[in-house]
Amino acid sequence: DTAVSQTPKYLVTQMGNDKSIKCEQNLGHDTMYWYKQDSKKFLKIMFSYNNKELIINETVPNRFSPKSPDKAHLNLHINSLELGDSAVYFCASSQDTSASTDTQYFGPGTRLTVL
Amino acid sequence: KQEVTQIPAALSVPEGENLVLNCSFTDSAIYNLQWFRQDPGKGLTSLLLIQSSQREQTSGRLNASLDKSSGRSTLYIAASQPGDSATYLCAVEEAAGNKLTFGGGTRVLVKP
Repeated sequence: DTAVSQTPKYLVTQMGNDKSIKCEQNLGHDTMYWYKQDSKKFLKIMFSYNNKELIINETVPNRFSPKSPDKAHLNLHINSLELGDSAVYFCASSQDTSASTDTQYFGPGTRLTVL
Repeated sequence: KQEVTQIPAALSVPEGENLVLNCSFTDSAIYNLQWFRQDPGKGLTSLLLIQSSQREQTSGRLNASLDKSSGRSTLYIAASQPGDSATYLCAVEEAAGNKLTFGGGTRVLVKP
């Protein structure tokens, strides 16, 4: 029943490792997003994909690479993890990029801790 | 560059009082403004979405107003309940694309 799901929920890893976070939505939406919420609770957009095509790419280190195998999935791969990458990462989806009534549905978040 | 500010950062009220949460944004060229609720350890839940052409939206005990020209929105929660305790986030969607810019949130505690 979960509309937007993320795995894993918690991720603890060492500096320098490579890790992936997976996101899936079963809402039939065309657009998916990744947000980062830092320790001060500020949420910032990282990427968005529309129908597997990258449409927003904020100033994010190229160690972060999103991958969308199909429009229901948007995975986030992070290379050479750094301490500053510790945060909660949220995936979201929405139906239509052009509609002013289009709300975004968020996943439960993945808490990443880099030691 | 759009900046969104929420004041106060935290708010504690006794049950039954009305809540007033403020949000301001620097660039009035917005597509819409959205209010979200975030519970500890959980994702965000959309509460209300106000289109740029609208002045307010209502859902149950919640009412959100939008004054684009002054760059402000206010979320009113009537007759607060302990279950309203959460962090409330305001976000504006810019005119181009679906990029949401969030405020820092207001953490609300409603005491029984």
